[in-house]
Amino acid sequence: DSGVTQTPKHLITATGQRVTLRCSPRSGDLSVYWYQQSLDQGLQFLIQYYNGEERAKGNILERFSAQQFPDLHSELNLSSLELGDSALYFCASSVDSGGPTGELFFGEGSRLTVL
Amino acid sequence: DQQVKQNSPSLSVQEGRISILNCDYTNSMFDYFLWYKKYPAEGPTFLISISSIKDKNEDGRFTVFLNKSAKHLSLHIVPSQPGDSAVYFCAASAYNNNDMRFGAGTRLTVKP
Repeated sequence: DSGVTQTPKHLITATGQRVTLRCSPRSGDLSVYWYQQSLDQGLQFLIQYYNGEERAKGNILERFSAQQFPDLHSELNLSSLELGDSALYFCASSVDSGGPTGELFFGEGSRLTVL
Repeated sequence: DQQVKQNSPSLSVQEGRISILNCDYTNSMFDYFLWYKKYPAEGPTFLISISSIKDKNEDGRFTVFLNKSAKHLSLHIVPSQPGDSAVYFCAASAYNNNDMRFGAGTRLTVKP
């Protein structure tokens, strides 16, 4: 158990809909990262928050947004969903903002299926 | 852009033999490299890392080698065990950069 909690574990929805994925980081971790893993693809970095502020942005679509709340949990919002958004979405946390000591602790992922 | 590449999607080895997983990167700013291991239905877990000031780091059966001039790193598992069967991700980050880039992963199968 990494200490990172993601909900829901599975989600099935239709194209055009909007969903919210939730992540609770490990106790004491200030950084939250979101990654997308599509079929046979690696982990694509989406976005990182550190202590409530956006710190880095990767290949995140404009239809996607995220935020980190004062209690440090984070939500990833996916809107106008398309079939290609079907993927496993991982949240990870770390103590600091990354860099040389950047070991990340991953949740079990949220599997999104768009029909 | 694939800044971290794992060109072998799968690898199969016999129990007791050496497993060698390879990773290449393109961004010369990367100075910290990690390997993560992922079992089905679980999130990736940290395995071993290496800083760019070193060319080798060893932890039990796992050794990571870094060749900066070639922008290449490898993970050696000796001896391989069936429990090592998993997907292995290579990752890299740069000092003062705040994201971590991952490769596509290599599925290792260790046969008894």
